[in-house]
Amino acid sequence: GENVEQHPSTLSVQEGDSAVIKCTYSDSASNYFPWYKQELGKGPQLIIDIRSNVGEKKDQRIAVTLNKTAKHFSLHITETQPEDSAVYFCAPRRTASKLTFGTGTRLQVTL
Amino acid sequence: NAGVTQTPKFQVLKTGQSMTLQCAQDMNHNSMYWYRQDPGMGLRLIYYSASEGTTDKGEVPNGYNVSRLNKREFSLRLESAAPSQTSVYFCASSERRGGNYGYTFGSGTRLTVV
Repeated sequence: GENVEQHPSTLSVQEGDSAVIKCTYSDSASNYFPWYKQELGKGPQLIIDIRSNVGEKKDQRIAVTLNKTAKHFSLHITETQPEDSAVYFCAPRRTASKLTFGTGTRLQVTL
Repeated sequence: NAGVTQTPKFQVLKTGQSMTLQCAQDMNHNSMYWYRQDPGMGLRLIYYSASEGTTDKGEVPNGYNVSRLNKREFSLRLESAAPSQTSVYFCASSERRGGNYGYTFGSGTRLTVV
């Protein structure tokens, strides 16, 4: 099965700074790379995803970059705001398999 | 459009008691999933249903059973609850079996077994 690691496990940034979370996976056949955001007391919510034929995808202040050769992908959040404080999960998968979630990164945006 | 609805939101059980967690989705999704979330361990798949009429074990199925009642509903049953099953349980659904589509999660059931 897929082994998924996220780094760092916790991240504290000041409002307005950028945050980067890295996800490393083991299955070279993985071809779908989503990021989920989980706010306190809620279920995870998909915020951005990328397929293996694309190296980078951006949606306003968030972006995901993929390095298939090195088997890692990263979540980038620019101009962080207090509402970005949450736990973020990566969940790579190959076609016809289930998502395998990383252990999560707790992001704290301080004023 | 409610998405994925889970009931109950909170539950306390005594060791040995049984209960069923309910999940329903209104997005006409084919696939449904049950995850548990424990501190420091991310989300682990208990059971899933790729389509109506099928169910399969996930990573941590022991102590649980599931029923895909129809396309909308997927329930999780604990026959004899144990303290190790204290966790937050999430139901999710996705659009297409085998397709790379995102999951939609419910808001969770927080279960405590004493």
